[in-house]
Amino acid sequence: RKEVEQDPGPFNVPEGATVAFNCTYSNSASQSFFWYRQDCRKEPKLLMSVYSSGNEDGRFTAQLNRASQYISLLIRDSKLSDSATYLCVVNGDDYKLSFGAGTTVTVRA
Amino acid sequence: ETGVTQSPTHLIKTRGQQVTLRCSSQSGHNTVSWYQQALGQGPQFIFQYYREEENGRGNFPPRFSGLQFPNYSSELNVNALELDDSALYLCASSLAQGENEKLFFGSGTQLSVL
Repeated sequence: RKEVEQDPGPFNVPEGATVAFNCTYSNSASQSFFWYRQDCRKEPKLLMSVYSSGNEDGRFTAQLNRASQYISLLIRDSKLSDSATYLCVVNGDDYKLSFGAGTTVTVRA
Repeated sequence: ETGVTQSPTHLIKTRGQQVTLRCSSQSGHNTVSWYQQALGQGPQFIFQYYREEENGRGNFPPRFSGLQFPNYSSELNVNALELDDSALYLCASSLAQGENEKLFFGSGTQLSVL
């Protein structure tokens, strides 16, 4: 079983729409959780950390459910510039980051 | 721009050859991690270096090795290249061991093994 699993998508949505997707992780001892964004074959960039209480950063909302071991990301009022691959990332207690394979989002005009 | 630079940006090798990839970490960052990203996959952790010593390794064979220098720059060496080694190799630096939230990635080296 993979450490982090994501729906690969693609999610194809119109501008202004809301899109949401999840990932699940296998290591119940995981300590930290993140969403990274990666544009086509470029380096991943940190989008936001994910906290147990849930957190927002502008149009982006992240949620963590430790009991079910899943993390979600919701994007409101989608922009063309939101088109990217979103990587779910989990950090265990050994400083290693485990990445999911990514969820592709395409926002169309 | 993250301040993490990798070289070369692209590289073509043949099976059985050896390759060295280089990474200069962001100023002041003493921890460097290397990741391999195959097409359609997420980055996979290779190893991490902290103060010139390997500190944690992923599920990669010994032919993947590395170094970190006193200026915190780093090298990734891969011996006896295989076709499956074709991937984007990413270097990431951070301020201190364990501070993964503040990982800064370089733009990567695209390695093709023919």
